[in-house]
Amino acid sequence: GQNIDQPTEMTATEGAIVQINCTYQTSGFNGLFWYQQHAGEAPTFLSYNVLDGLEEKGRFSSFLSRSKGYSYLLLKELQMKDSASYLCAVSVYGNNRLAFGKGNQVVVIP
Amino acid sequence: EAQVTQNPRYLITVTGKKLTVTCSQNMNHEYMSWYRQDPGLGLRQIYYSMNVEVTDKGDVPEGYKVSRKEKRNFPLILESPSPNQTSLYFCASSFPTGSPLHFGNGTRLTVT
Repeated sequence: GQNIDQPTEMTATEGAIVQINCTYQTSGFNGLFWYQQHAGEAPTFLSYNVLDGLEEKGRFSSFLSRSKGYSYLLLKELQMKDSASYLCAVSVYGNNRLAFGKGNQVVVIP
Repeated sequence: EAQVTQNPRYLITVTGKKLTVTCSQNMNHEYMSWYRQDPGLGLRQIYYSMNVEVTDKGDVPEGYKVSRKEKRNFPLILESPSPNQTSLYFCASSFPTGSPLHFGNGTRLTVT
């Protein structure tokens, strides 16, 4: 199975940059997803990494190191609406299953 | 509009009374899955389906059943609900490996 670890909560100021880490242990790694989830709502897709390196998408960037079993999501120019839980999820070859971490709650303060 | 539709959004029921939560997607996705989300435990997979008539257990399948008779529908059945199945449930779908999941809006179930 997969073992996915994320820190639980962090607070950051509007306009700042925050980095959310995710470490994983799995066999048959086939990509890592980041999702954003506002309280009581469905998760929404942010990014997907399958090769090592940085993927940039506007204010959000995601990095992957397969050899280290490590990914991070970088949120720049934080806005109040970025207050949410950020979930990393690992995909495994062969069965299309996604294993989710418990999520990291980001609280943005003025 | 491309979407995953779950019904109902909220459901309060009593122990032992069979219920079904429906899930339908209009994106022609092969893969569908059910998750439950509980505080401190994150999203845990209940069952998933790679295609019509193909279903498999996820991490927490006990007490649940599913069926996939048509590509678009993937209902979740609780034959005899118990209070420990009180949770927020999400249905999701996608194309095969490497594609992002599209989630329904969730069903908040309370079993008393």
